[in-house]
Amino acid sequence: GAGVSQSPSNKVTEKGKDVELRCDPISGHTALYWYRQSLGQGLEFLIYFQGNSAPDKSGLPSDRFSAERTGGSVSTLTIQRTQQEDSAVYLCASSLGQVIQPQHFGDGTRLSIL
Amino acid sequence: RKEVEQDPGPFNVPEGATVAFNCTYSNSASQSFFWYRQDCRKEPKLLMSVYSSGNEDGRFTAQLNRASQYISLLIRDSKLSDSATYLCVVKGAAGNKLTFGGGTRVLVKP
Repeated sequence: GAGVSQSPSNKVTEKGKDVELRCDPISGHTALYWYRQSLGQGLEFLIYFQGNSAPDKSGLPSDRFSAERTGGSVSTLTIQRTQQEDSAVYLCASSLGQVIQPQHFGDGTRLSIL
Repeated sequence: RKEVEQDPGPFNVPEGATVAFNCTYSNSASQSFFWYRQDCRKEPKLLMSVYSSGNEDGRFTAQLNRASQYISLLIRDSKLSDSATYLCVVKGAAGNKLTFGGGTRVLVKP
């Protein structure tokens, strides 16, 4: 069946440019999460959307990072004025949104800032 | 202190042996617990949820110890394909935010 879809799978850009990453969650999943994973590191929570509630942005590392979720489905993570330390794999996950529901991950976007 | 802590390993395991490792969490109000598996340069995949009474799925057994605030994962009859990083995941008392441990690397060798 269709899983979480992320695009692009790889993105290489120059320092200072803006990038936009896309996540298409599993149909019917009301909760959507963004994480990032730097090389050899654990998963770092970035932001969480649940239905029509205000998103939990507590993990966003700076104001250069923002995310939207339109129509309760597709989400975009935008990084402005990228820095080299932004290089990481950005993972999106979705879940049914109830209390005890595991998350399903996309394949991730590998972002490289030159 | 980190919210979720794991021994990074690696745990070098002979094929066919049993390996077990723990994950400690700091928030006593945490509600849900999971083990995820992550292969090198791949996304995490859910291995199993961890229930209060403990649960088993084939060669994998997960336990929760609320009093000491840790969960454990035991792998019996290890296979070469079990080589991976095992991520401990904890869901807090409020909302659905998950906190991931840094992972425990397991290497099963012939």
